Amino acid sequence: DGGITQSPKYLFRKEGQNVTLSCEQNLNHDAMYWYRQDPGQGLRLIYYSQIVNDFQKGDIAEGYSVSREKKESFPLTVTSAQKNPTAFYLCASRLGSEAFFGQGTRLTVV
Amino acid sequence: GQSLEQPSEVTAVEGAIVQINCTYQTSGFYGLSWYQQHDGGAPTFLSYNALDGLEETGRFSSFLSRSDSYGYLLLQELQMKDSASYFCAVSGSGYALNFGKGTSLLVTP
Repeated sequence: DGGITQSPKYLFRKEGQNVTLSCEQNLNHDAMYWYRQDPGQGLRLIYYSQIVNDFQKGDIAEGYSVSREKKESFPLTVTSAQKNPTAFYLCASRLGSEAFFGQGTRLTVV
Repeated sequence: GQSLEQPSEVTAVEGAIVQINCTYQTSGFYGLSWYQQHDGGAPTFLSYNALDGLEETGRFSSFLSRSDSYGYLLLQELQMKDSASYFCAVSGSGYALNFGKGTSLLVTP
């Protein structure tokens, strides 16, 4: 089955540690996205990538980093510089007008 | 930059019709799309409008007016399973896809 896979579903980290969230897709889509979702805040764009080896900052990129070395993979690193990292993170890929989302990773930093 | 405004909450009765509005401001615009998200789940695509007018997909319809920077999602024959959050999203320049804060729809018996 084609789709977007995010792992793990739940992730716990201590404050001050970097953590990398995985996102893999087998849909052969060029464009991929990372969003952060907090209650009442909707989906806020962190980073997006139109093509391999290229990515752009979204509205809330500070404290995050990404890479796009392969078409299938778009990992997100939440660095210690991110002041409020606890959130629900969603990855998506896009073909034309339609975006396809993974099931999300709920990150809790304690 | 881009901004999207939509109501935070809407309540409607089962079997009724509900309209969720979305106004947007963007420096580059290609189209307006709508997504549904149930609690704890992944957003799923509902519809997309690139041109002015109404697009119909089953019980759901979406409308766009580019000159007014406005669109809406119309849900007919509401069912309990339609209780969810609904997001409008703008496709802008450079492949960006920006979402509104979402409208929480509660369908009551």
